[in-house]
Amino acid sequence: DVKVTQSSRYLVKRTGEKVFLECVQDMDHENMFWYRQDPGLGLRLIYFSYDVKMKEKGDIPEGYSVSREKKERFSLILESASTNQTSMYLCASRPAGSGDNSPLHFGNGTRLTVT
Amino acid sequence: DAKTTQPTSMDCAEGRAANLPCNHSTISGNEYVYWYRQIHSQGPQYIIHGLKNNETNEMASLIITEDRKSSTLILPHATLRDTAVYYCIVRSKIKAAGNKLTFGGGTRVLVKP
Repeated sequence: DVKVTQSSRYLVKRTGEKVFLECVQDMDHENMFWYRQDPGLGLRLIYFSYDVKMKEKGDIPEGYSVSREKKERFSLILESASTNQTSMYLCASRPAGSGDNSPLHFGNGTRLTVT
Repeated sequence: DAKTTQPTSMDCAEGRAANLPCNHSTISGNEYVYWYRQIHSQGPQYIIHGLKNNETNEMASLIITEDRKSSTLILPHATLRDTAVYYCIVRSKIKAAGNKLTFGGGTRVLVKP
């Protein structure tokens, strides 16, 4: 089974702090994604990556950046955390090259609270 | 991506089949129908997907109408562990566009003993 691991289940950070959310997958997937999930808004795509050192903006990239130095790891960075970034953050991965109908595999999420 | 419409919630009796409807009347020819579910405190879990034909796997069956404007996810023998929010989404086959999955509100399914 594909395993997508997010380093923290719960995080509490202060406004203005730099925050790193880490995600690791063990199935050699090329594509990795960061979403945030908020009540009433569903899942919204922040950033995704097709390969090492590649990144693409999703629908709501403002206030975030990402890093993909190794294939298995995709980091989401909040340069200066704000209270409106309090949310559930979900990482996902999927393979490339097996057709574009391959499903996403999600981690269990990191619930970030910014105070 | 085409918008989907699902009932907000539904109850189901344990051991009975659960039929979850989804309307996607604006679906285009290059869009798949996907179903995911999210159990409390976990990330979404892939269930099944299809393009035109009905599909079945170990978790569920997917029935897509001939005009593709709606579909039904069938859990053949619901268990208490199937209690979750079920999301129906449509996703483009086009590589770049297909990454921008949009999850709506989903259907909150409660399986009762």
